[in-house]
Amino acid sequence: DVVMTQSPLSLPVTLGQPASISCRSSQSLVKSDGTTRLYWFQQRPGQSPRRLIYWVSNRDSGVPDRFSGSGSGTDFTLKISRVEAEDVGVYYCMQGIYWPHTFGQGTKLEIK
Amino acid sequence: EVQLVESGGALVQPGASLRLSCEASGFSFSTYWMSWIRQAPGKGLEWVAHIKEDGSEKYYVDSVKGRFTISRDSAKNSLYLQMNSLRAEDTAVYYCMRQGQDWGQGTMVTVSS
Repeated sequence: DVVMTQSPLSLPVTLGQPASISCRSSQSLVKSDGTTRLYWFQQRPGQSPRRLIYWVSNRDSGVPDRFSGSGSGTDFTLKISRVEAEDVGVYYCMQGIYWPHTFGQGTKLEIK
Repeated sequence: EVQLVESGGALVQPGASLRLSCEASGFSFSTYWMSWIRQAPGKGLEWVAHIKEDGSEKYYVDSVKGRFTISRDSAKNSLYLQMNSLRAEDTAVYYCMRQGQDWGQGTMVTVSS
């Protein structure tokens, strides 16, 4: 299975400051159609996960523009330009090209 | 509005069977691939099974192959997960998901004697 490795696993951030999460895959996530099948999900405490980003850098509807995704091949990053209180939760990257699709271990973002 | 409502979770003994259901609404069910994802208590997310739009292709994580079966009924706009020979390690919240985008609220499965 493709291994997705996130870092850091714990991310204390001061309100208003930026945050960055790294995700690395054990194989390239570039599909034959040229798209890169890397996704980011947010799971707030007590809630179901919610997709934030698809295909590396495309924000889902309703996702604030302070969230951005970047990267290529096997190395990806989720950035939050200015952390707000509602951003507390666990963030997961996921690859959607190989079966089974696999998630990273999760990065827990908390407010300092 | 897309809605996915799971049901069927319960407390069962090891070796038992259980069938989870996910009722979908707010979109054309037969045109989307659907999946089951699970999350053990305090742990991360694990993709369990996936079924193509027309049901012609199904994929499973190795740990459930031969024990779990995913299926769908377009007439009822419903997704199912038949779980047999349940083990303690299957204990988790099971989520229904539409094409990697929309998630249900989850249903809890506890396998314990």
